[in-house]
Amino acid sequence: GESVGLHLPTLSVQEGDNSIINCAYSNSASDYFIWYKQESGKGPQFIIDIRSNMDKRQGQRVTVLLNKTVKHLSLQIAATQPGDSAVYFCAEQSGSYIPTFGRGTSLIVHP
Amino acid sequence: DGGITQSPKYLFRKEGQNVTLSCEQNLNHDAMYWYRQDPGQGLRLIYYSQIVNDFQKGDIAEGYSVSREKKESFPLTVTSAQKNPTAFYLCASSPRDLPPNNEQFFGPGTRLTVL
Repeated sequence: GESVGLHLPTLSVQEGDNSIINCAYSNSASDYFIWYKQESGKGPQFIIDIRSNMDKRQGQRVTVLLNKTVKHLSLQIAATQPGDSAVYFCAEQSGSYIPTFGRGTSLIVHP
Repeated sequence: DGGITQSPKYLFRKEGQNVTLSCEQNLNHDAMYWYRQDPGQGLRLIYYSQIVNDFQKGDIAEGYSVSREKKESFPLTVTSAQKNPTAFYLCASSPRDLPPNNEQFFGPGTRLTVL
């Protein structure tokens, strides 16, 4: 039978479009959230973080939105470029140093 | 340059052998972590250490062992008791600022294959 979890959720976009990657988190007590980018064969890299006392935070070409009511986190990438192609993970922490990672979303950017 | 390094990048092991994966950081971080990543999966925590000479089991510690004799180093041994060791192993470190809201810094990973 098919193995669960071998295929990541995938988002395909055209170069120049805006991308939105979503993440549902599980712990209502989580107070710190991070987005990481992982390119093939490499370790994850920090993109942006947000604390639970905020709803929105912007970086360079990226915006993170936090909706605590429905426990939802999103990462918006403006003017997506081929170099943005990677797997994106969200992580949540609840007052400890140990994050819980989501399964990841694969972003494919077509030139 | 400050950073976190892992070696080797690729490692092949015969069944029944123990192997040790290296992780070194010069970021002066107190906390270090080992994760396992399988295809299409998120990161699963194997072990973590928040201070020298102390470490705790993560979610999937069986078949693995670690040591933390120095702040800079956190080697992971994959023992023969680990039944399915083929995976991508990631080491990370983070400061222990208060409040505990800090991102983790990851190494480049070691891909272990059991032959």
